[in-house]
Amino acid sequence: GDSVTQTEGQVALSEEDFLTIHCNYSASGYPALFWYVQYPGEGPQFLFRASRDKEKGSSRGFEATYNKEATSFHLQKASVQESDSAVYYCALSDWDNNRIFFGDGTQLVVKP
Amino acid sequence: EAAVTQSPRSKVAVTGGKVTLSCHQTNNHDYMYWYRQDTGHGLRLIHYSYVADSTEKGDIPDGYKASRPSQENFSLILELASLSQTAVYFCASSGDWGEGQNTLYFGAGTRLSVL
Repeated sequence: GDSVTQTEGQVALSEEDFLTIHCNYSASGYPALFWYVQYPGEGPQFLFRASRDKEKGSSRGFEATYNKEATSFHLQKASVQESDSAVYYCALSDWDNNRIFFGDGTQLVVKP
Repeated sequence: EAAVTQSPRSKVAVTGGKVTLSCHQTNNHDYMYWYRQDTGHGLRLIHYSYVADSTEKGDIPDGYKASRPSQENFSLILELASLSQTAVYFCASSGDWGEGQNTLYFGAGTRLSVL
């Protein structure tokens, strides 16, 4: 079945560090890939998506590129801020059943 | 502004009791979802619905029922609450998947504690 794997359970950085959160997926067909962000006490929010191979999604300085060969969609940001501290979820679409699969999430902690 | 509203925001229930979590959306979306969030397990799909008066099972439906009486409303029902159902529950809606509108819009969540 479809699945999403996020390698890091938690990432701790200092402000202005470079961020990478790894996301790999397993799916039949051609899923759309997403990143969502969740701040404390809130529901997850859509960050951005990509729908085809080599497409780059981006928002608020975050970006990820759909890599079908590597089955990856890694999240990156060049210079993180304390306000970026949150949980980040990678997700994919199951077009056959109209549903979204989520990874386990990565807690990002940015220290000033 | 379009929104997904969940009620209550938190609830304490007794083991064996009945719990109903409610969700109301003003997005004019056909698709609605209930997810459960546990530490270390991310978001897992319980039930979802394409249209009023119809629901579908997700990945962890056991112990839960769902009801979609109208396009705007989607409820999650725990007939006999158990300790293992202590978690945070999120409702979400999305537009027409046939038109590629599969971005999920989430409510703020309901924190359920079963004692």
